[in-house]
Amino acid sequence: EAQVTQNPRYLITVTGKKLTVTCSQNMNHEYMSWYRQDPGLGLRQIYYSMNVEVTDKGDVPEGYKVSRKEKRNFPLILESPSPNQTSLYFCASGTGGFPLYGYTFGSGTRLTVV
Amino acid sequence: ELKVEQNPLFLSMQEGKNYTIYCNYSTTSDRLYWYRQDPGKSLESLFVLLSNGAVKQEGRLMASLDTKARLSTLHITAAVHDLSATYFCAVDPYGGATNKLIFGTGTLLAVQP
Repeated sequence: EAQVTQNPRYLITVTGKKLTVTCSQNMNHEYMSWYRQDPGLGLRQIYYSMNVEVTDKGDVPEGYKVSRKEKRNFPLILESPSPNQTSLYFCASGTGGFPLYGYTFGSGTRLTVV
Repeated sequence: ELKVEQNPLFLSMQEGKNYTIYCNYSTTSDRLYWYRQDPGKSLESLFVLLSNGAVKQEGRLMASLDTKARLSTLHITAAVHDLSATYFCAVDPYGGATNKLIFGTGTLLAVQP
């Protein structure tokens, strides 16, 4: 089954404790991206990657890091999480350019930083 | 500033009724996407509109795109409870160069029996 898999689905952590949210896709997509969803603000892009070793900032990159060492994986790293990073996170993937079938989103990771 | 505005933000409608959700965007984009999100769930792709005048239909939902007016509509025909969800439109303002989507704030649709 074609899918984007995120782990964990839920995470509660303390301020300053480094964490990684994993994202993996099995569709051989070039493009991957991370979004956060907050009430009243909709979805905002954090980082994106056009291919292996090619990443760039989205609209809200502060406090996040990413890497793309393999085509299928695109982990999101929070080196020192803070409470304002409490949010619902989605990973998405798609073919390069204009994907004819849209982007595929993962199931989401609900992160709470206390 | 790039903006994607949806209205209404909340829509309560009775089963069997018709209604339209509007999506206005402030930048040039030849592509527009509609997604559905159920509470606590991921986003499901509904429609990808690829050109001016594009119209797509799936069941009780029909989406259209007018790139000149920078407007897309999602029309709901004879609503049923199963359509209750939040609907998002999104545009790609950079011509596919970054695959970055700008999302609207969503329309929460509640279909009452």
